[in-house]
Amino acid sequence: EVQLVQSGAEVKKPGATVKISCRVSGYTFTDYYMHWIQQAPGKGLEWMGLVDPEDGARMYAEKFQNRLTITADTSTDTSYMELSSLRFDDTAIYYCATVKAGRTFDYWGQGSLVTVSS
Amino acid sequence: DIVLTQSPDSLAVSLGGRATINCKSSQSVLYSSNDKNYLAWYQQKPGQPPKVLIYWASTRESGVPDRFSGSGSGTDFTLTISSLQAEDVAVYYCQQYYSTPPWTFGQGTKVEIK
Repeated sequence: EVQLVQSGAEVKKPGATVKISCRVSGYTFTDYYMHWIQQAPGKGLEWMGLVDPEDGARMYAEKFQNRLTITADTSTDTSYMELSSLRFDDTAIYYCATVKAGRTFDYWGQGSLVTVSS
Repeated sequence: DIVLTQSPDSLAVSLGGRATINCKSSQSVLYSSNDKNYLAWYQQKPGQPPKVLIYWASTRESGVPDRFSGSGSGTDFTLTISSLQAEDVAVYYCQQYYSTPPWTFGQGTKVEIK
């Protein structure tokens, strides 16, 4: 059974950095890109970026380009999403997700809530 | 970037009634070489991540009840729930995978029971 298990909720101050993990099981980690998706409270889904665990190559959405780092650790089958210079509007649930067959986001983590509060 | 606009933002349907959600794309997501529309539909229930319902605009994911159907081509798409059940209360999103990155989603449509 494929599972993506994310780290827990975080509370951060404006300007801080948050790092969320996503540990996978049930498939070969390097077989699929790992994507990260933001969902602000009561809002829709926004793709943030991805990493290819095979070679570490990354792509980021323009909106997050300067503040986002996505990595993959093949020794622990874990992907990390680090967002810096946090703002109040970064308060959101962050999901990791994989695309299995070149189309849809088939497997999702349970989500990690990040609250930015002073 | 491809912008997806869903309508309506919310709708209330009686149990057993029909729910229709529209998704309009800012550009065609039909790939002419294989005649496939690169559009998917997801269902998201409170406290859960989204779940794939439909891909290639009209192909149901395995295990998805047949009351869910997708139609449309090019820039205009529809998700229909033919006979709404209580468990269908959720937010529904369309998503394109034609021109990536970025992968983009519609803003979501909330479906409730009338």
